[in-house]
Amino acid sequence: QQPVQSPQAVILREGEDAVINCSSSKALYSVHWYRQKHGEAPVFLMILLKGGEQKGHEKISASFNEKKQQSSLYLTASQLSYSGTYFCGTDSVLGNTPLVFGKGTRLSVIA
Amino acid sequence: DTGVSQDPRHKITKRGQNVTFRCDPISEHNRLYWYRQTLGQGPEFLTYFQNEAQLEKSRLLSDRFSAERPKGSFSTLEIQRTEQGDSAMYLCASRKGGGGGTDTQYFGPGTRLTVL
Repeated sequence: QQPVQSPQAVILREGEDAVINCSSSKALYSVHWYRQKHGEAPVFLMILLKGGEQKGHEKISASFNEKKQQSSLYLTASQLSYSGTYFCGTDSVLGNTPLVFGKGTRLSVIA
Repeated sequence: DTGVSQDPRHKITKRGQNVTFRCDPISEHNRLYWYRQTLGQGPEFLTYFQNEAQLEKSRLLSDRFSAERPKGSFSTLEIQRTEQGDSAMYLCASRKGGGGGTDTQYFGPGTRLTVL
């Protein structure tokens, strides 16, 4: 079942922060975050494994609440280059299954 | 590591024609996935292979679609008798597999299909 992402879209000024949420109704093994720019392929950002770990990548970090089957992506001090559509992809509790993607969150960072 | 490559990058065809796309995964990645993406949507799973075996097909994959991965290396996706509703970006991804699911899928640049 497709995970639900929120918000659908967000506009930020440079330097502002944002949070993107991903929620699943099914038990998950992991959550994978990607960013896609217009006309390009999704680019992998990070993977969150069950266990509730939090990871960071530059000024982008994420968490995974296994009990709630929710993941959040945190973007701090946003830069123009952060603009794009962010997708979460979920791996079922079995692990190593084809990722199921949400509809995406469109992030626009303006000067 | 060279990334996942796809060919062609763009394909324009007339309704009713057959088209074939190719995907070359990252070497040593034994899992290969095909997705379809339309405007404003996330990638939708179509099918995947582990080595040369096709393990799962989505209900989205009608009888007009067929995929192969001979010898467990590159893969082809063929669409027969194309329809305008087939217009989309077709994305290929590969994954090393094993490792208890701690790795991820890496996407190719996609093939954009336009059916006139």
